Amino acid sequence: GDSVTQMEGPVTLSEEAFLTINCTYTATGYPSLFWYVQYPGEGLQLLLKATKADDKGSNKGFEATYRKETTSFHLEKGSVQVSDSAVYFCALSGNGANNLFFGTGTRLTVIP
Amino acid sequence: DAGVTQSPTHLIKTRGQHVTLRCSPISGHKSVSWYQQVLGQGPQFIFQYYEKEERGRGNFPDRFSARQFPNYSSELNVNALLLGDSALYLCASSLGVSGLGELFFGEGSRLTVL
Repeated sequence: GDSVTQMEGPVTLSEEAFLTINCTYTATGYPSLFWYVQYPGEGLQLLLKATKADDKGSNKGFEATYRKETTSFHLEKGSVQVSDSAVYFCALSGNGANNLFFGTGTRLTVIP
Repeated sequence: DAGVTQSPTHLIKTRGQHVTLRCSPISGHKSVSWYQQVLGQGPQFIFQYYEKEERGRGNFPDRFSARQFPNYSSELNVNALLLGDSALYLCASSLGVSGLGELFFGEGSRLTVL
């Protein structure tokens, strides 16, 4: 079945460091891929998405590219800020499906 | 505009009891989905409702049920509670039924079963 494997955390970085959070997936057909973020005390919110191979999703300085050949959707940011501290979830929506499969989440802490 | 609102925010029940969780979607959203998030795990899909009809069901036992009302709000019911039902229950709304659309999540109802 469809599934997402996400890099385990927690991850602690200094401000302005480069961030990569790995995500790989297993799915039949052509899933859509998402990164959701959960800031402290807030609900999950969509960070970015990509709906087909080679698409790049981007938002708030974060980027992720849909790589079908490696079944990956790694999240990257060139220079993290303290305000980026949150839990990040990789997710997929199967071909034509109406629900999301989430990874286990990666907690990022950015220290000044 | 109000986001997705859920109630109650926290509750404690004992094994064997029943619980009802409520969700109000963003105005104009006709789809409501429920997810269970166990501590340290990602959310798991329970149900999706669209226009008051069930459109999807995850791998959860029949003790879990839900419904959607004419105003698109929704209830999640869990009967015969087990310790393993302790989790954060998330409601999400969206404009349409497709998985391509953005889901807007509430802050969740944290259920503790003793």
